[in-house]
Amino acid sequence: QSALTQPASVSGSPGQSIAISCTGTSSDVGGYNYVSWYQQHPGKAPKLMIYEVNNRPSGVPDRFSGSKSGNTASLTISGLQAEDEADYYCNSYTSSSTWVFGGGTKLTVL
Amino acid sequence: QVQLVESGGGVVQPGRSLRLSCAASGFPFSSYGMHWVRQAPGKGLEWVAIISYDGSNKYYSDSVKGRFTISRDNSKNTLSLLMNSLRAEDTAVYYCAKGWLQLDYWGQGTLVTVSS
Repeated sequence: QSALTQPASVSGSPGQSIAISCTGTSSDVGGYNYVSWYQQHPGKAPKLMIYEVNNRPSGVPDRFSGSKSGNTASLTISGLQAEDEADYYCNSYTSSSTWVFGGGTKLTVL
Repeated sequence: QVQLVESGGGVVQPGRSLRLSCAASGFPFSSYGMHWVRQAPGKGLEWVAIISYDGSNKYYSDSVKGRFTISRDNSKNTLSLLMNSLRAEDTAVYYCAKGWLQLDYWGQGTLVTVSS
């Protein structure tokens, strides 16, 4: 159950677009379309932003989108806003009937 | 609206046990799977365990398997996590979360500190 691999940090200016990658294996990310993404502000509980690779829950802005190619999933945020500054985590179902998170990515809005 | 409220955290000595609870409201609790996820101070999220809507299926991370037990009481809309043989590395904020393939609502967490 190794954690999925995410970049430790990414940054972008307001209005720009950024992408956060999440790399796993054929036993998790690559094997299932059950990748989800979570946003966590300091001291707060995580919030679901994307589920099943590219679906947005009600209330999540359409600036947030997800995709997957092979063993790597990505979260893209377009039109960056100051309130997007947070930690982001990917998560995947695995072939062992367990779930695994990525190590997390700190997004800084410059 | 969905509400998940964790309780039971605190300071516990290594090797001892602790039971966490999660009180659920605002949705049909008995129809949904439930997760426990933890976050060590300053660290990332770590998935801990999941239980199916009826309690018939339970899965655990390797790091807690054999020591932690997840359970639920659908008559009381309550999720539990019994943590035995606690170690310093179990120190974390523990969150309960609703869902199965994705964790769509989270509680605010309860802090467990394992220290002598």
